[in-house]
Amino acid sequence: ETGVTQTPRHLVMGMTNKKSLKCEQHLGHNAMYWYKQSAKKPLELMFVYSLEERVENNSVPSRFSPECPNSSHLFLHLHTLQPEDSALYLCASSPSRHWASTEAFFGQGTRLTVV
Amino acid sequence: AQSVAQPEDQVNVAEGNPLTVKCTYSVSGNPYLFWYVQYPNRGLQFLLKYITGDNLVKGSYGFEAEFNKSQTSFHLKKPSALVSDSALYFCAVRVSGNTPLVFGKGTRLSVIA
Repeated sequence: ETGVTQTPRHLVMGMTNKKSLKCEQHLGHNAMYWYKQSAKKPLELMFVYSLEERVENNSVPSRFSPECPNSSHLFLHLHTLQPEDSALYLCASSPSRHWASTEAFFGQGTRLTVV
Repeated sequence: AQSVAQPEDQVNVAEGNPLTVKCTYSVSGNPYLFWYVQYPNRGLQFLLKYITGDNLVKGSYGFEAEFNKSQTSFHLKKPSALVSDSALYFCAVRVSGNTPLVFGKGTRLSVIA
């Protein structure tokens, strides 16, 4: 295991539901990330948090709302999603977002299906 | 802007044969290059990286990759493929701490017994 844990592993939600994805790391890392993985597309970086402060938001729709209450936890709140939002959502962490030479550690992902 | 290309969606190899998964990149500046592997229903696992120095980088599970600056490539290789190597492989590049890690689309490797 990589030390990054995501829950739930699978989630099915209706378009009017509100749900949250959770990510937890106890690696002592200062940077955390949300990625979206869709079939046959590159991984899309959604959000970057550094020391609990959001530093990047790559034009993600407002129906996705991240929250980082502390450096070990990252949430992705979901509201009024569309079927095209169905994907694997991956959380990752790294020691520091400024250290370009260090690799990121990924969680196992949450498979989200919007019906 | 930085980008990564993995020209093959799928690579099929017989068990015991050498394998190559291709990756080319485009950056302004010196690249940091990474390979990750994703097994079914799992997240991405780090395999190896090139930072500086020796162009041949050795990583986990017997994989290695060769950095070729003139061809802007970072192909992943293994001398003898195993069925258990069957997975999705991602190449990624980063230039600095102020730029994000950019991934390719991934290449699905199938090793056939």
